[in-house]
Amino acid sequence: GESVGLHLPTLSVQEGDNSIINCAYSNSASDYFIWYKQESGKGPQFIIDIRSNMDKRQGQRVTVLLNKTVKHLSLQIAATQPGDSAVYFCAENMSQAGTALIFGKGTTLSVSS
Amino acid sequence: DAGVIQSPRHEVTEMGQEVTLRCKPISGHDYLFWYRQTMMRGLELLIYFNNNVPIDDSGMPEDRFSAKMPNASFSTLKIQPSEPRDSAVYFCASSLDRPLEAFFGQGTRLTVV
Repeated sequence: GESVGLHLPTLSVQEGDNSIINCAYSNSASDYFIWYKQESGKGPQFIIDIRSNMDKRQGQRVTVLLNKTVKHLSLQIAATQPGDSAVYFCAENMSQAGTALIFGKGTTLSVSS
Repeated sequence: DAGVIQSPRHEVTEMGQEVTLRCKPISGHDYLFWYRQTMMRGLELLIYFNNNVPIDDSGMPEDRFSAKMPNASFSTLKIQPSEPRDSAVYFCASSLDRPLEAFFGQGTRLTVV
């Protein structure tokens, strides 16, 4: 099976709420993680990344948290907007080994106004 | 840079026909990836290249699939003969000297009837 997966396939929130999307990974050797956003009809777009020597990283309205103890990754979106509606994927790889990103199946985020 | 460019955007073909998907990576990127996306299996890595050399093709479904990268600015993914179960969106992505953040093209939606 896949080494990266997601706890919930869909998430529905109200505009202005905070969203939390979760991801579990199984490869303890992975040292690099990315969140991608995919809008309908488009390719995945980079949101934020984090290396295994960090447990938190913040971007614009987004925060990624990494818990290596339980192999868990989460993406928090503050003040969710309708434009945030998309499918969100987490991905992992072993950066030093030069391996490719391996993706989870994705969570669909729906934002209603 | 225009980003990763894929062609065609849409392809409809009859079972048994040969299909060729094309990709132009971002200039200067050393890694090129081919992914396939379906509802059932999500984003699957098919093959990736480093400096035009195939590194890992373990994700290629079967001998009907082949990929080439004759130079740093062009890659093809060929399916011969095509089957209905090959219907999916095929993405090409590229990244800099190590496969960290990968930039995706818009994808080719393949329908085999």
